[in-house]
Amino acid sequence: KAGVTQTPRYLIKTRGQQVTLSCSPISGHRSVSWYQQTPGQGLQFLFEYFSETQRNKGNFPGRFSGRQFSNSRSEMNVSTLELGDSALYLCASSLNENRLNTGELFFGEGSRLTVL
Amino acid sequence: GENVEQHPSTLSVQEGDSAVIKCTYSDSASNYFPWYKQELGKRPQLIIDIRSNVGEKKDQRIAVTLNKTAKHFSLHITETQPEDSAVYFCAASRAGSQGNLIFGKGTKLSVKP
Repeated sequence: KAGVTQTPRYLIKTRGQQVTLSCSPISGHRSVSWYQQTPGQGLQFLFEYFSETQRNKGNFPGRFSGRQFSNSRSEMNVSTLELGDSALYLCASSLNENRLNTGELFFGEGSRLTVL
Repeated sequence: GENVEQHPSTLSVQEGDSAVIKCTYSDSASNYFPWYKQELGKRPQLIIDIRSNVGEKKDQRIAVTLNKTAKHFSLHITETQPEDSAVYFCAASRAGSQGNLIFGKGTKLSVKP
């Protein structure tokens, strides 16, 4: 079974630009979450999608948005990029067939964004 | 909202020794506590998890304990090996929010041969 796939793996943008990151979950997984990882703040939750609906959202400004498609693939978008948005953006999928906890999050390798 | 504190931030042990990493959480509604291991340049991977209806769980050299009253949970690694060297993250979440993990800031474990 293929793992979680994130594209692109690396990208460089300049301040003020916008970026879209893509995540393909493990086949059969309907829950997709996004995390921002930085050396100073660790892993911070951005948002979670389940069956095309945003179920939870972390404490990030409105410049960060996401969506999930009917095939469970997800995208996240960051508009008006700031230097502080430089980070590794990790996507994770889980089976989570219902609202009960079902266990493990499977992470992708991440998209490393550098904002100049 | 939930806040997870993790200590220590770095830990160095000799091969064969035990390592203990501790976390505290603030939200009494949290009921799921996973631990993730992230090797350098790699993705985080689940190594063990525990739910609030269990006090302790063990998987070979790894064990996790949970004290709901004190809102503490700990990771114990026995007979450490160099391949245990990595950053370990504890996390907490509520029922129905499994994808919404609140992570501690991580512990960098170094196992010296």
